[in-house]
Amino acid sequence: SQQGEEDPQALSIQEGENATMNCSYKTSINNLQWYRQNSGRGLVHLILIRSNEREKHSGRLRVTLDTSKKSSSLLITASRAADTASYFCATDVSYKYIFGTGTRLKVLA
Amino acid sequence: EPEVTQTPSHQVTQMGQEVILRCVPISNHLYFYWYRQILGQKVEFLVSFYNNEISEKSEIFDDQFSVERPDGSNFTLKIRSTKLEDSAMYFCASSDTLAGDEQFFGPGTRLTVL
Repeated sequence: SQQGEEDPQALSIQEGENATMNCSYKTSINNLQWYRQNSGRGLVHLILIRSNEREKHSGRLRVTLDTSKKSSSLLITASRAADTASYFCATDVSYKYIFGTGTRLKVLA
Repeated sequence: EPEVTQTPSHQVTQMGQEVILRCVPISNHLYFYWYRQILGQKVEFLVSFYNNEISEKSEIFDDQFSVERPDGSNFTLKIRSTKLEDSAMYFCASSDTLAGDEQFFGPGTRLTVL
């Protein structure tokens, strides 16, 4: 697998449901970040989780990090149509961020 | 809230022409980065810059690319002779530390090479 590989590649859910996206990586990291990108637009920072943290919350977002499995998950609770976007994890490797391939989330109203 | 800005938002150029993409990082940040995203693909690291020199560059960042901090506020990416495959979204980012912290991204410049 590549550094920063998300699954699923695409996810379609109904408004109000929870959405879970996973990210796996290969090398040791200092931190992992999740970003959102609306179609053709810029990157919006969601959460940064450090290697010594296991879970972080921000509003409807919950991120977990399991460094032993080299994986992270992003949970969006009570999804809304406005959450429709691509979601990327990014891991810091040698002072730069390596982005994953992204999960395209579609929330149906 | 401070933010990274980029200009222009969209640049169209002819193949072989030179383009300069501009970024204004967050004012107290010391580390600057360029990334690119080809349509439908993932975001790729191009180069990092600190103390007026390149800290690291990827294989993508070949001799046609250069970066500069011409004054105290701007950070530029120059592509000397554009190719069709340079068409992409280019993101600038800045951070106040080299590692372990958030990189703040600009809104991007969409470069279209015809």
